[in-house]
Amino acid sequence: QITLKESGPTLVKPRETLTLTCTFSGFSLSSSGVGVGWIRQPPGKALEWLVIIYWNDDKWYSPSLKSRLTVTKDTSKNQVVLTMTNMDPVDTATYFCAHLYRYQLINLFDPWGQGTLVTVSS
Amino acid sequence: DIQMTQSPSSLSASVGDRVTITCRASQSISNYLNWYQQKPGKAPKLLIYAASSLQSGVPSRFSGSGSGTDFTLTISSLQPEDVATYYCQQSFSMFLTFGGGTKVEIK
Repeated sequence: QITLKESGPTLVKPRETLTLTCTFSGFSLSSSGVGVGWIRQPPGKALEWLVIIYWNDDKWYSPSLKSRLTVTKDTSKNQVVLTMTNMDPVDTATYFCAHLYRYQLINLFDPWGQGTLVTVSS
Repeated sequence: DIQMTQSPSSLSASVGDRVTITCRASQSISNYLNWYQQKPGKAPKLLIYAASSLQSGVPSRFSGSGSGTDFTLTISSLQPEDVATYYCQQSFSMFLTFGGGTKVEIK
């Protein structure tokens, strides 16, 4: 059974850097074709994809946020860490991590973590 | 970026009704299209992948169709537990994008 859980601060100040950790079990991020993605959702709004990190350490970032995001993996700890710099109140959102796998080259997220709400406020 | 446009943004239907949600891509994405269901306060759940393949454990009243730029998610007989927001997601591009969501309510 695959599970994922996000952890990190619930409140950050404007201009600070956010660091979130996704701790997972039930799969290995060294297995071919596997990845972990981060997706966020502002309150009452739609999902927004942020980044994917693959088993081979390939990383794909959302073009609109690329300059502010960094993703790393620690295979031995079964963790993926997301950092987002220069936080702003518009970055207030629930941040999800999700297991990614490929079906005939189609990337899909299943399952997802429960999400963690991050509020940006002074 | 490939833009994904869903319609309608919300709908209200009666139990037992057939419900159809549309997702349109800004360019052809073949069948690289997934659908997710998000119930209030919960994480999204994969319903349909590759445009028409039903994820294991998902009730058969859910179905997906389409290819190219136009896709459809159908609930053949709406149930109370289907109250949720539904999102499409393309993976034709390595830069993934989601649709704006369709909120489904019971009339």
